[in-house]
Amino acid sequence: NAGVTQTPKFRILKIGQSMTLQCTQDMNHNYMYWYRQDPGMGLKLIYYSVGAGITDKGEVPNGYNVSRSTTEDFPLRLELAAPSQTSVYFCASRHRGGTEAFFGQGTRLTVV
Amino acid sequence: DQQVKQNSPSLSVQEGRISILNCDYTNSMFDYFLWYKKYPAEGPTFLISISSIKDKNEDGRFTVFLNKSAKHLSLHIVPSQPGDSAVYFCAASGNAGNMLTFGGGTRLMVKP
Repeated sequence: NAGVTQTPKFRILKIGQSMTLQCTQDMNHNYMYWYRQDPGMGLKLIYYSVGAGITDKGEVPNGYNVSRSTTEDFPLRLELAAPSQTSVYFCASRHRGGTEAFFGQGTRLTVV
Repeated sequence: DQQVKQNSPSLSVQEGRISILNCDYTNSMFDYFLWYKKYPAEGPTFLISISSIKDKNEDGRFTVFLNKSAKHLSLHIVPSQPGDSAVYFCAASGNAGNMLTFGGGTRLMVKP
């Protein structure tokens, strides 16, 4: 099992550009999450999903969009990149009824 | 308003001694607590957890204590090893079970 896979690992965007951060998991987990970690800070929840077709906002959703068309994939979309979105982004998944969430390796995004 | 707080951003301990990492929470609906460990350039990995019906959980060198009346939990590492040097995040989950709320993290440095 690969677990949770995120692509790309690194990306530099110009202000106003858009991009999609990819996340896929092969553990058949129902729940998936997107977090961001700013330097010296904890993880803040952006969006989450409890199953295919169902998504909900977390603590810091502004400037982002998500979709969940399959159990495996949970892409995060940035439409108009801003310097405030410079961060490390982590995708995670968890089985319904489980307690432990499994994280991907992260995507380091810089907006200049 | 931070619902999960780790008030010590860093902690330095000598190898072989005990490391104690602390976490406070404000939301009384939280009923499951987890500790994650994070090395640089990697995603967080699950370390140990505790349900609110318990006050202690042990796993090898790691023990988590929960004081519900004080809304406080702590992670004890005995004995501390240089390989334990990492950032430790406390996380909490409510009875809806959907979201994990993280603290800001504590950087542990174990000196040889």
